[in-house]
Amino acid sequence: AQSVAQPEDQVNVAEGNPLTVKCTYSVSGNPYLFWYVQYPNRGLQFLLKYITGDNLVKGSYGFEAEFNKSQTSFHLKKPSALVSDSALYFCAVREFGDMRFGAGTRLTVKP
Amino acid sequence: NAGVTQTPKFQVLKTGQSMTLQCAQDMNHEYMSWYRQDPGMGLRLIHYSVGAGITDQGEVPNGYNVSRSTTEDFPLRLLSAAPSQTSVYFCASSPGQGITGELFFGEGSRLTVL
Repeated sequence: AQSVAQPEDQVNVAEGNPLTVKCTYSVSGNPYLFWYVQYPNRGLQFLLKYITGDNLVKGSYGFEAEFNKSQTSFHLKKPSALVSDSALYFCAVREFGDMRFGAGTRLTVKP
Repeated sequence: NAGVTQTPKFQVLKTGQSMTLQCAQDMNHEYMSWYRQDPGMGLRLIHYSVGAGITDQGEVPNGYNVSRSTTEDFPLRLLSAAPSQTSVYFCASSPGQGITGELFFGEGSRLTVL
């Protein structure tokens, strides 16, 4: 079965610095990869996805993600973090119709 | 713009009671699913449906039933609630039956089983 792993429970960055939230995946076929964000007491919101094509995917709120097939990774990035980016971030993979999520990474951006 | 609507938002049950979490979407999405979210475990798939009349089990289906009689509605039934089912439950939908679409989530239903 498909799966994703988020190796960091917590990521702390200073406002204005670049941020990276890591994700690795495991699938038997073509990977369809997603990033979502969750703010307190809310549902998940879609940020971006990789289906095919360019390895660098751009999404909402200035986020982007880099697909790396050889390293089976799909890391989320942003060039300059904002305090308002502080939230819980989930990586997900969809292979056979159902979508499977990682455990989540809590991003804290400090002023 | 209703999107995915879940009710109730909060519920407290006693062990052994049954209840139904309601989920409705107004986007004409064929795919719908239920997840539970527990601290440190991310979201785990309970059941999903690729269209009316079709349901399938996810990672953690035990103790839960679903049905899909219409495209719009996908209720989740707890047959005999247990404290281990204390969690936040999310319903989600996506267009078509394919695997490239992103999910649209409801705001969640927080369930406590005493």
